[in-house]
Amino acid sequence: EPEVTQTPSHQVTQMGQEVILRCVPISNHLYFYWYRQILGQKVEFLVSFYNNEISEKSEIFDDQFSVERPDGSNFTLKIRSTKLEDSAMYFCASSNGKTNTGELFFGEGSRLTVL
Amino acid sequence: GDSVTQMEGPVTLSEEAFLTINCTYTATGYPSLFWYVQYPGEGLQLLLKATKADDKGSNKGFEATYRKETTSFHLEKGSVQVSDSAVYFCALTSGTYKYIFGTGTRLKVLA
Repeated sequence: EPEVTQTPSHQVTQMGQEVILRCVPISNHLYFYWYRQILGQKVEFLVSFYNNEISEKSEIFDDQFSVERPDGSNFTLKIRSTKLEDSAMYFCASSNGKTNTGELFFGEGSRLTVL
Repeated sequence: GDSVTQMEGPVTLSEEAFLTINCTYTATGYPSLFWYVQYPGEGLQLLLKATKADDKGSNKGFEATYRKETTSFHLEKGSVQVSDSAVYFCALTSGTYKYIFGTGTRLKVLA
């Protein structure tokens, strides 16, 4: 069964360092997403991506964040200069349609710990 | 803005007990509603969904009914198993590109 894969599963970094989280969405999907969950809090939408551009982003997704689909298979989230409050589980998801018509398929998550 | 509120966990039940996990929502318009489940070490998986009022979503013995009058989408199962132990997330979308999730409710089922 096709699945969304994420790497790394856990990354520990120092505050101020750049981090890249990688995702391989399901191959025939066209919509890609990043969500995050700070421990004990809600799963929060960060950004959606379609047709090689951001289609929607939340207020959390500031200039420190960027997304890219560099090679037609990977979908990356970059945090330029990490802050302590960026520590969270980051989930990648993909779908083949808009959310109310297509199911979101999630990866297992990448846990980011900023020290 | 749109929001989802779930009951606090953890919920601990004995095997074969009845399960209810409450979920209420606030949304403009007519959202679609979902329950996602996260088993240990795995990503979120769609459990069931309902796209309009009075629809009932069901899967693997779980059910939830879209109640517009009470803005609720409570998850129920008549007889839980140990294998149902997981974190359950209620979510909604109003037809945009994003889901709004609740905080998740951890369920632990004891043999």
